[in-house]
Amino acid sequence: DAGITQSPRHKVTETGTPVTLRCHQTENHRYMYWYRQDPGHGLRLIHYSYGVKDTDKGEVSDGYSVSRSKTEDFLLTLESATSSQTSVYFCAISESWQMNTEAFFGQGTRLTVV
Amino acid sequence: LAKTTQPISMDSYEGQEVNITCSHNNIATNDYITWYQQFPSQGPRFIIQGYKTKVTNEVASLFIPADRKSSTLSLPRVSLSDTAVYYCLVGEGGNAGNMLTFGGGTRLMVKP
Repeated sequence: DAGITQSPRHKVTETGTPVTLRCHQTENHRYMYWYRQDPGHGLRLIHYSYGVKDTDKGEVSDGYSVSRSKTEDFLLTLESATSSQTSVYFCAISESWQMNTEAFFGQGTRLTVV
Repeated sequence: LAKTTQPISMDSYEGQEVNITCSHNNIATNDYITWYQQFPSQGPRFIIQGYKTKVTNEVASLFIPADRKSSTLSLPRVSLSDTAVYYCLVGEGGNAGNMLTFGGGTRLMVKP
């Protein structure tokens, strides 16, 4: 299995508090992604990174920010958590952006905002 | 962006062959077709990828007709452990953010 670690794996937080999720990889892959998965919506891209300090928005980026100060770490921050951000969050990595490249996913972080 | 359409759900029985078809009428010349599998409480996992004709690996086969407007994932002799959601992806290319755009997937239920 690809070396991807998401932390924490589970978190319960209160509305209005900031939350940071971490994705750590040991594969030295250039691209990293954050997705959220909700019933009825499949996986939706939040943000992605194509290098250190290079990030861009995905389909559902409102309310989220990201940072990548090192190749191996990609952080997702909810500045002020809301109940609508209760979801399962997945991190993914890939060597290239091209479609003929396999992407590897982490085990997910289940976040509950109460 | 090449949108994909696949059945929401399918049922099968152990030992049967399962074929899941994905429509992607707006596929671009440089696009590849990729399938991922997701078990409950896990992240998606790459199954197979192809550009045209047929690709086979130890897990599945992928059939792509000449016009590439659809593709069929074939799972031979499924078992209970193949119960999962299967996603068909077709990328636009040239933009990493479009690379991994997931649709709703097909929920496959394998029954004993």
